[in-house]
Amino acid sequence: DSGVTQTPKHLITATGQRVTLRCSPRSGDLSVYWYQQSLDQGLQFLIQYYNGEERAKGNILERFSAQQFPDLHSELNLSSLELGDSALYFCASSSAAGAGQPQHFGDGTRLSIL
Amino acid sequence: AQSVTQPDIHITVSEGASLELRCNYSYGATPYLFWYVQSPGQGLQLLLKYFSGDTLVQGIKGFEAEFKRSQSSFNLRKPSVHWSDAAEYFCAVGDITGGGNKLTFGTGTQLKVEL
Repeated sequence: DSGVTQTPKHLITATGQRVTLRCSPRSGDLSVYWYQQSLDQGLQFLIQYYNGEERAKGNILERFSAQQFPDLHSELNLSSLELGDSALYFCASSSAAGAGQPQHFGDGTRLSIL
Repeated sequence: AQSVTQPDIHITVSEGASLELRCNYSYGATPYLFWYVQSPGQGLQLLLKYFSGDTLVQGIKGFEAEFKRSQSSFNLRKPSVHWSDAAEYFCAVGDITGGGNKLTFGTGTQLKVEL
């Protein structure tokens, strides 16, 4: 158990809809990361937050947004969903923001778009 | 831009045999390197990490990896594989430019263990 909690574990929805994925980091960790894992793209970094502030951005679509709240949990919002958004979305956390801090991953949310 | 190459998509070994999974990276500065393992339906578990210092690093579950700067490699090894090691293994390089800490992953190596 990594200590990172993601909900829900599975999500099935339709094209055009909007969903919210939730992540609670390990106790004491200030930094949260979101990754997308798909068969065609592999594991891709989406975005990083540190203590409520955006720290780094990757290949995140404009239809996707994220935030980190004062209690340090994070949410990833996906809107206008397309079939290609079907993937496993991971949240990870680390104690600090940079300098190669090891990231600890949750079990992921599997998103299926019908 | 940084990148990671794992040339072997699938590897099959017999239980008790030794294992080496290959990883080559491209990064402009001193790399932060990681190996993660993913079992079916699970998240990624950190096996080991290299930041600096001793180029042979020890990890959990009996794994080790050797950093070779001249070859831009960070291969993962285990002297004797157990059936429970069957999983997918990912090598990653950490990019800390701009104050961030994003990981760039390789495409993974699926390990099958024959009993």
